Amino acid sequence: DAGVIQSPRHEVTEMGQEVTLRCKPISGHNSLFWYRQTMMRGLELLIYFNNNVPIDDSGMPEDRFSAKMPNASFSTLKIQPSEPRDSAVYFCAIWGSLNTGELFFGEGSRLTVL
Amino acid sequence: GENVEQHPSTLSVQEGDSAVIKCTYSDSASNYFPWYKQELGKGPQLIIDIRSNVGEKKDQRIAVTLNKTAKHFSLHITETQPEDSAVYFCAASFSGNTPLVFGKGTRLSVIA
Repeated sequence: DAGVIQSPRHEVTEMGQEVTLRCKPISGHNSLFWYRQTMMRGLELLIYFNNNVPIDDSGMPEDRFSAKMPNASFSTLKIQPSEPRDSAVYFCAIWGSLNTGELFFGEGSRLTVL
Repeated sequence: GENVEQHPSTLSVQEGDSAVIKCTYSDSASNYFPWYKQELGKGPQLIIDIRSNVGEKKDQRIAVTLNKTAKHFSLHITETQPEDSAVYFCAASFSGNTPLVFGKGTRLSVIA
């Protein structure tokens, strides 16, 4: 079962605060993706990892954003300092074990920066 | 890089009617085209996909068509039902082993 657990599901914070979003694939996966969803821009790829190594982080908006994948079962996306324009739903996704190209998404972390 | 355009952004249909959502892509190397459905408060979920070696694929009430020459593909939902109401995303990638580039989504409302 290629499930993904994300936390927190909802976060409300004030501008300038640090935000850490977490992603745990239920089964360890070597490839992991962070997407951001907004009304204006839809689903944007922020960064993806393969074998726990960041392969493409060109979608990361700026230096305030950072992501890590220390092992196949855990990843974090950090925003420091946060700004109101970072308000969005952040999704973590993994490829299924059959390597068909299908992405399995978590339920997302809805971030609101006041 | 790849760019995917999706239309319309919103679509309302009467229950039982058909719905069509269209996408275009820019990178002729793309050969994998999935469609995802996102229900409220959930992550997107794959509903159907097509690869460039076929022109059409069906799965019960949903079908996808692909025109590689024109670089566009479409999702067709027949006999729509209220539970089809959701946001639908098209996407494209090369071989399915590179990150998906998504369209901006279509909010489909099926009116009973």
